[in-house]
Amino acid sequence: DQQVKQNSPSLSVQEGRISILNCDYTNSMFDYFLWYKKYPAEGPTFLISISSIKDKNEDGRFTVFLNKSAKHLSLHIVPSQPGDSAVYFCAAIEWNSGNTPLVFGKGTRLSVIA
Amino acid sequence: DTGVSQDPRHKITKRGQNVTFRCDPISEHNRLYWYRQTLGQGPEFLTYFQNEAQLEKSRLLSDRFSAERPKGSFSTLEIQRTEQGDSAMYLCASSSTTSSVSPFGPGTRLTVT
Repeated sequence: DQQVKQNSPSLSVQEGRISILNCDYTNSMFDYFLWYKKYPAEGPTFLISISSIKDKNEDGRFTVFLNKSAKHLSLHIVPSQPGDSAVYFCAAIEWNSGNTPLVFGKGTRLSVIA
Repeated sequence: DTGVSQDPRHKITKRGQNVTFRCDPISEHNRLYWYRQTLGQGPEFLTYFQNEAQLEKSRLLSDRFSAERPKGSFSTLEIQRTEQGDSAMYLCASSSTTSSVSPFGPGTRLTVT
């Protein structure tokens, strides 16, 4: 059973436009959410996170939105740059219950076209 | 500190051979995690340690897999009698008990022929 779902395997966006990557989860015990970026042959790199007590967190060009009632989060990248082309993973943990291994989605491959 | 490191970066082995991977976490991190990533999937949790204690093992971790963290610093992951289905990227991450963010190492790419 896939507790974290990224239903779009790929996304293509023009340089300078907004990229929106979506993620849904089923486990209501998840209380902390993270986005990781991964280039081929490298480990995932942490990008941005959000606690379940918030609905938005912003860091430069990256903003994560959380809709707890819909069990949905999204990552917005504005403006998109060619260097953003990578696979993006959504991950979740049950931080307050001490269940800390990350549960990942399958990823979305973002291609930013110059 | 240069972050989480893993060795080797690549390993090619024949089916039936044993392999061992090493992970060196960030020095002040007491938690260490192993994940496995196959093509088209996200990383999947295998096991984790808090200091030298192995606190949780996934059902993905068959009895051919064993992990250790003998002194609460580096960790090793051994796969015995490798199978072609073991071919994957093996990732290590570490964290402190006060942080939800786990930096990852570069991974070890295992190919079983």
